[in-house]
Amino acid sequence: DAGVIQSPRHEVTEMGQEVTLRCKPISGHDYLFWYRQTMMRGLELLIYFNNNVPIDDSGMPEDRFSAKMPNASFSTLKIQPSEPRDSAVYFCASSGGIGYTFGSGTRLTVV
Amino acid sequence: GENVEQHPSTLSVQEGDSAVIKCTYSDSASNYFPWYKQELGKGPQLIIDIRSNVGEKKDQRIAVTLNKTAKHFSLHITETQPEDSAVYFCAASSSGGGADGLTFGKGTHLIIQP
Repeated sequence: DAGVIQSPRHEVTEMGQEVTLRCKPISGHDYLFWYRQTMMRGLELLIYFNNNVPIDDSGMPEDRFSAKMPNASFSTLKIQPSEPRDSAVYFCASSGGIGYTFGSGTRLTVV
Repeated sequence: GENVEQHPSTLSVQEGDSAVIKCTYSDSASNYFPWYKQELGKGPQLIIDIRSNVGEKKDQRIAVTLNKTAKHFSLHITETQPEDSAVYFCAASSSGGGADGLTFGKGTHLIIQP
């Protein structure tokens, strides 16, 4: 199993641009989570899905953030428009019900 | 919601010595407590977990203890080695596993001095 796959690994974009982060969970896992990691706030849960349905998006910071899971093998996190304070490492994780497996993350820099 | 506090933020120990990292949680409904290790440039990796019906769990050089009454749990690493250097995160969940979002502590940067 290749684990949770995220792309891109690094993204540098200008303020105001749209950014899309991608995630492929482990096959058979029915939970998918998006986390954001910063030095100041640590690991924050943004949103999670169960069987492709968003269950809790209370961690999504603003309407500029949106997430979708069109099928069991793919999810996206979109930021539009992006701002410098969105700079962070974004992790996707999946679970089959016990424990999480994290991807390697996307380091986003908004200049 | 759940709040997880983790201490210390940085811990430096001599190679071969033991390291202890402590966490407290606020939600008495929490029943699943995993620990993750994050190496530079990588995502967090689960190293050990414990459920609320167990007081202690060991896996080779690492162990976790849980005190439900006091709402705190700890990670113990014995005979530390250079490859133990990393950031360690504790977490708590009320679903017994991955069925909802984990709440993480802020992390402990463990440094193993040769």
